[in-house]
Amino acid sequence: GNSVTQMEGPVTLSEEAFLTINCTYTATGYPSLFWYVQYPGEGLQLLLKATKADDKGSNKGFEATYRKETTSFHLEKGSVQVSDSAVYFCALRGGGFKTIFGAGTRLFVKA
Amino acid sequence: ETGVTQTPRHLVMGMTNKKSLKCEQHLGHNAMYWYKQSAKKPLELMFVYNFKEQTENNSVPSRFSPECPNSSHLFLHLHTLQPEDSALYLCASSQDLSKEQGTQYFGPGTRLLVL
Repeated sequence: GNSVTQMEGPVTLSEEAFLTINCTYTATGYPSLFWYVQYPGEGLQLLLKATKADDKGSNKGFEATYRKETTSFHLEKGSVQVSDSAVYFCALRGGGFKTIFGAGTRLFVKA
Repeated sequence: ETGVTQTPRHLVMGMTNKKSLKCEQHLGHNAMYWYKQSAKKPLELMFVYNFKEQTENNSVPSRFSPECPNSSHLFLHLHTLQPEDSALYLCASSQDLSKEQGTQYFGPGTRLLVL
């Protein structure tokens, strides 16, 4: 079946550091891939998505590229801010109605 | 008001109480979902509705009873809950259930504490 694996956290960075959160997936066919972010006390917000191989999703300085050859969708940001502290979820949606979510990676950014 | 809203945002209830969670989406979507998010556990899909019809009940105990009167509203009726049901309950919606139109948009959640 479909699955998503993302790096365990927490990830702790200083402000302005480079961020990478790894995500790999297993799926048949060509799923759509997503990153969601959850700030403390809130629901999940869609951060970015990509629907086919080599697509790059981007939003708020974050970006991720759909790599079918490595079945990966790593999240990157060139310079993180304290306000980026949150939990980040990688997800995929293939055929069928279920979106498969990763376990989440907590990010702490220190001033 | 835009997006997906949920009320109440916080709820404390005893094990013998009956309460309901409400979700409303203003996105014109046709599919709605209930998820349970517990500490240190993956997000759990509970129920899925498409055009008001339930398409998934993910082995959820009968003390949770969903209701979808129309495509914009989704309720989760709660009765005789257990302390382990304490969690964040998230509602989401999507245009439909297809891969192409299935991007889910979430509400802020209801934080439930069962005493």
